[in-house]
Amino acid sequence: ILNVEQSPQSLHVQEGDSTNFTCSFPSSNFYALHWYRWETAKSPEALFVMTLNGDEKKKGRISATLNTKEGYSYLYIKGSQPEDSATYLCAFKDFGNQFYFGTGTSLTVIP
Amino acid sequence: EPEVTQTPSHQVTQMGQEVILRCVPISNHLYFYWYRQILGQKVEFLVSFYNNEISEKSEIFDDQFSVERPDGSNFTLKIRSTKLEDSAMYFCASSQASGADTQYFGPGTRLTVL
Repeated sequence: ILNVEQSPQSLHVQEGDSTNFTCSFPSSNFYALHWYRWETAKSPEALFVMTLNGDEKKKGRISATLNTKEGYSYLYIKGSQPEDSATYLCAFKDFGNQFYFGTGTSLTVIP
Repeated sequence: EPEVTQTPSHQVTQMGQEVILRCVPISNHLYFYWYRQILGQKVEFLVSFYNNEISEKSEIFDDQFSVERPDGSNFTLKIRSTKLEDSAMYFCASSQASGADTQYFGPGTRLTVL
């Protein structure tokens, strides 16, 4: 079973602060990395699918980078807002068709 | 906007009973997935399905689990003889293309085995 780790486990930031968190995954046999935003009582919502080493993707104030050689991805949120409060989940896919999820980073943005 | 739907939202069953969890993927999607999350644990991949057959399954997906696309719109997960440890949130997801494409998740079915 492959290990995907996310850090920190939880994070509290003030509104307006920028923040980032990490997803670590095996550097071999990489196929894709998915980032999701998961609000309580809702289903995970896809943010990004990243496939190439050096990929950078952006959606509004949220962006992500990918380093497949060293096995990590960063998710950045610029100018956090209370509505950004959620769990951010990453999932690694290898060349099989299985997905391996991290435990998530729980973000709370304090107004 | 099209969305993945799942029924029921909550299923309570007795140990040893069979359950069927239902999902309606987004209509033009070709790849379908089941995941589960036991309370307090990571989301776990169960199975992926394409072209009317299983394309990959995890170690969790043993002989007591099966999937079916009976009518071209529904995608079902059957657990033949439920165990206490099957209690979890079960999520269905679908995507247009394979694993490098965006997956859309349903709202989940909470299965409680007593």
